[in-house]
Amino acid sequence: DIQMTQSPSSLSASVGDRVIVTCRASQSISTYLNWYQQRPGRAPKLLIYTASNLQSGVPSRFRGSGSGTDFTLTISSLQPEDFATYYCQQSYSTPPTFGGGTKVEI
Amino acid sequence: EVQLVESGGGLVQPGGSLRLSCAASGFNFGTFAMSWVRQAPGKGLEWVSALSGGGDTTYYADSVKGRFTISRDNSNNTLYLQMNSLRVEDTAVYYCAKDLNTYSRFEVDPWGQGTLVAVSS
Repeated sequence: DIQMTQSPSSLSASVGDRVIVTCRASQSISTYLNWYQQRPGRAPKLLIYTASNLQSGVPSRFRGSGSGTDFTLTISSLQPEDFATYYCQQSYSTPPTFGGGTKVEI
Repeated sequence: EVQLVESGGGLVQPGGSLRLSCAASGFNFGTFAMSWVRQAPGKGLEWVSALSGGGDTTYYADSVKGRFTISRDNSNNTLYLQMNSLRVEDTAVYYCAKDLNTYSRFEVDPWGQGTLVAVSS
């Protein structure tokens, strides 16, 4: 199974900050990497698919990049509604696996 | 608007069974693969099962293989997860989710609100 490792596991930031979350795969996954946002008590929501494609309706302050084993999710200017947990997930091979999550706190 | 509404969760004893349902609306249900993803309390996400739009291709996590069965009724826009021989470690919120594609590529959005399955004696 492909292991997905996110860093940091949590971070504190302020509204307006630029936030970067990283995700590393245990082997190359090309660009088969997706990012999800989960607000407290809510279902996850897809933000980015295949590393850099913005899902419909997602604000442009979210940007994904990377290929191979190293990926990043960048939030250019953190908004109050962005305080949440972010998960990366590989869709390169089965089983599809998630990272452990990065909690973005105030 | 795409909507997914899960039901069927609850408290069950180890070894028992439950059937989860996911009622879909707002899109051409039979055109898209569907998945079940679970989240144990306070934990991360685990992909449980997936089924292609036509129902011909399935995926099961090793942890549920042989115990869970995914199915769909495209005429009634409903996805199911039959869960047998339930274990304590199956306790989780179960989400259904719509794939972006006809055959599952494990890229899913949106997700339903989830239904809680609690396995305990």
